Amino acid sequence: QKEVEQDPGPLSVPEGAIVSLNCTYSNSAFQYFMWYRQYSRKGPELLMYTYSSGNKEDGRFTAQVDKSSKYISLFIRDSQPSDSATYLCAMSGGILTGGGNKLTFGTGTQLKVEL
Amino acid sequence: EAGVAQSPRYKIIEKRQSVAFWCNPISGHATLYWYQQILGQGPKLLIQFQNNGVVDDSQLPKDRFSAERLKGVDSTLKIQPAKLEDSAVYLCASSFSPGRLYEQYFGPGTRLTVT
Repeated sequence: QKEVEQDPGPLSVPEGAIVSLNCTYSNSAFQYFMWYRQYSRKGPELLMYTYSSGNKEDGRFTAQVDKSSKYISLFIRDSQPSDSATYLCAMSGGILTGGGNKLTFGTGTQLKVEL
Repeated sequence: EAGVAQSPRYKIIEKRQSVAFWCNPISGHATLYWYQQILGQGPKLLIQFQNNGVVDDSQLPKDRFSAERLKGVDSTLKIQPAKLEDSAVYLCASSFSPGRLYEQYFGPGTRLTVT
């Protein structure tokens, strides 16, 4: 079993739709949860990060973490064609915990927002 | 603020040849990471430097891969000899400190094809 599981998609939605992207994980030491966006032939770009459980909102993006279920989500409201990219979840236990300082990534979900 | 620079952007070599990649992190970032991203997968950490010292190289195939970060700034990653399974995008990332791993900034990557 992989430490981080992510549905690879591809996911195709019409412009304006609400998009839900999800990851599950198995390592209970993970405390930092990140979402990266990666356009084709570019490096990943940090969208949001959350520490521990809870919600975080930034514009059209909302990140949710449910540590009891080991489940994280990214919601994109009013999706735009410019949101078409691969979305990677990543997580870490942090420098001071036994979870390790490194980031463990999911495989990424390919999203296409169509006009 | 200039981002993480990498070169070359693309490289094609034959198996058993050697190759080197270069990375210049964001100015002032003490922590530098090299990741391998195979097509359809998330980035996998190969090695992490703090200044010019190695913090984590547990997933670096040391029989063929080597990396250095002289003077704590630029870094090079070398593969010698290359295998077909080394075909991937090699991403360099940097952060201000190890504790701010959630603020990793990625370069555009070097796409390596081994034939």
